[in-house]
Amino acid sequence: DVKVTQSSRYLVKRTGEKVFLECVQDMDHENMFWYRQDPGLGLRLIYFSYDVKMKEKGDIPEGYSVSREKKERFSLILESASTNQTSMYLCASSFHLEQYFGPGTRLTVT
Amino acid sequence: ELKVEQNPLFLSMQEGKNYTIYCNYSTTSDRLYWYRQDPGKSLESLFVLLSNGAVKQEGRLMASLDTKARLSTLHITAAVHDLSATYFCAVDFHNTDKLIFGTGTRLQVFP
Repeated sequence: DVKVTQSSRYLVKRTGEKVFLECVQDMDHENMFWYRQDPGLGLRLIYFSYDVKMKEKGDIPEGYSVSREKKERFSLILESASTNQTSMYLCASSFHLEQYFGPGTRLTVT
Repeated sequence: ELKVEQNPLFLSMQEGKNYTIYCNYSTTSDRLYWYRQDPGKSLESLFVLLSNGAVKQEGRLMASLDTKARLSTLHITAAVHDLSATYFCAVDFHNTDKLIFGTGTRLQVFP
């Protein structure tokens, strides 16, 4: 079974803090993705990566950055968290037309 | 702008009834996905549709794809309570694995 794990299920941070969300997959997939999910908006792509050290902006990259130093790990970084970044964050990896999602991190920024 | 529209957004249906969820998208694609999400949980893949006329069935759910009409449907047959969840369609517009998601349909099945 493919496993995509995320470092935290729930996270509470203060405005202005630097926040790291970690995602690890155990199936040697090349493609990894970060989405945020908000009610009424579905999932929106923040950043994605097709290989180590490679990253590309998705539809809503503003306020976020990413890091992919190893194939299995894809990190999402909020340089200076703001309240409008309160959301559910989902990581995914893909192989052969299938995307596998992690359990999600519910981030609250106060 | 690439758009994926689902309707209805919310569906309350009685057990035993049939219903269809619609997914329209704005430009050519031949890869469409359906996912299920239970409250507080992540997304579970239901179907991957890869060509015009593709039809897939699993239990009480059947998905189809009409690439010419840019339309996919998820048909529910004889609904049961266990099908209560939010259903998302997603389109891969340029075969890049980048998915554009619909807003989701929240399905509630009651006795």
